[in-house]
Amino acid sequence: DGGITQSPKYLFRKEGQNVTLSCEQNLNHDAMYWYRQDPGQGLRLIYYSQIVNDFQKGDIAEGYSVSREKKESFPLTVTSAQKNPTAFYLCASSRQGGTGELFFGEGSRLTVL
Amino acid sequence: SQQGEEDPQALSIQEGENATMNCSYKTSINNLQWYRQNSGRGLVHLILIRSNEREKHSGRLRVTLDTSKKSSSLLITASRAADTASYFCATDESNYQLIWGAGTKLIIKP
Repeated sequence: DGGITQSPKYLFRKEGQNVTLSCEQNLNHDAMYWYRQDPGQGLRLIYYSQIVNDFQKGDIAEGYSVSREKKESFPLTVTSAQKNPTAFYLCASSRQGGTGELFFGEGSRLTVL
Repeated sequence: SQQGEEDPQALSIQEGENATMNCSYKTSINNLQWYRQNSGRGLVHLILIRSNEREKHSGRLRVTLDTSKKSSSLLITASRAADTASYFCATDESNYQLIWGAGTKLIIKP
């Protein structure tokens, strides 16, 4: 079945550590996105990529980094510079960039100890 | 930037009743989408309505769009326990990203 796989589902990090969240899709979609979700709030865009080897900052990119070396993969690194990293992180993809239908993974919950 | 705003924030109804939730936005849009999120899970796309459409149906879902009032509503008829979830609207404020509301938490009581 086609879809988006995020891993790990739960991750605990000590302050000062970088962590990388994995996102893989087999939908052959060009565009991929990373969102952050905090309780009681809507999704906020961290980074997005419309094509391999290219990505753009979203509204809250500070303290995060991404790469897009393969069409299928869009990993997100939460660096120690992110002041409040505890959140639910969602990866999504769409057939092409823009504002069409998004397909989401199941999310990764990061907790900083 | 936040554009979509859902109303109410939370809604609790009996199984079998209809559930209506609303979304308001601030600027002109090309389309508006509704998504469902079960607790601790990813979002699932429900329906997309374009700015030149006034109403759209999908199974037990009915979405309306009033561009003059900059608002949309999602109606779920004959609710079931499995409809318990949070529902989000998303609008296209720019060419590259969707803008999301904070969601309506729907609880269906058996």
